[in-house]
Amino acid sequence: DQQVKQNSPSLSVQEGRISILNCDYTNSMFDYFLWYKKYPAEGPTFLISISSIKDKNEDGRFTVFLNKSAKHLSLHIVPSQPGDSAVYFCAARGDNNNDMRFGAGTRLTVKP
Amino acid sequence: DSGVTQTPKHLITATGQRVTLRCSPRSGDLSVYWYQQSLDQGLQFLIQYYNGEERAKGNILERFSAQQFPDLHSELNLSSLELGDSALYFCASSVGVGGLETQYFGPGTRLLVL
Repeated sequence: DQQVKQNSPSLSVQEGRISILNCDYTNSMFDYFLWYKKYPAEGPTFLISISSIKDKNEDGRFTVFLNKSAKHLSLHIVPSQPGDSAVYFCAARGDNNNDMRFGAGTRLTVKP
Repeated sequence: DSGVTQTPKHLITATGQRVTLRCSPRSGDLSVYWYQQSLDQGLQFLIQYYNGEERAKGNILERFSAQQFPDLHSELNLSSLELGDSALYFCASSVGVGGLETQYFGPGTRLLVL
């Protein structure tokens, strides 16, 4: 039962351009959506989140957009940097911190 | 460095064996979560403890069990191991259980069952 889906296993972008990572979910009870970044041999690191009462949250070069009607969220990275190369996981959960559901991840490669 | 530590980093064992994975949460965090990441898959939530009590269960097999001790460290016990149990096991911690709280992940334990 995959309630959170990241349909693109990989994405390659040129340095300085925009990276757009997409995520779809099926459970309308999800209230919070998060993006984690993971480098090899490390655990996931929290990047940015958004509550279901918002449609956009921005933190520096990172912006997350939420479209509740489409059950879709996206992460925009502008401008992309080679250090952003990592696996990005989308996650979602209800109004407590239990049972967070993760997507399968998208491997982003930013080419110099 | 997230402040969450996990030991061991790597573990190689045989089918049918039992292993214990250990996690120390960030100082001050009361919640501990365990996740499994199999090859090319997302993280699957296994179980959560809050201040020593089991709080939530996810896709945890009956062969697996966990506990959180009074000093808040946690152990995940995997028994009667099968080849399919080979995976990365992550521990995460957070201060409480609120929806806005961030989970901080440890570096993971890579388990290989031969």
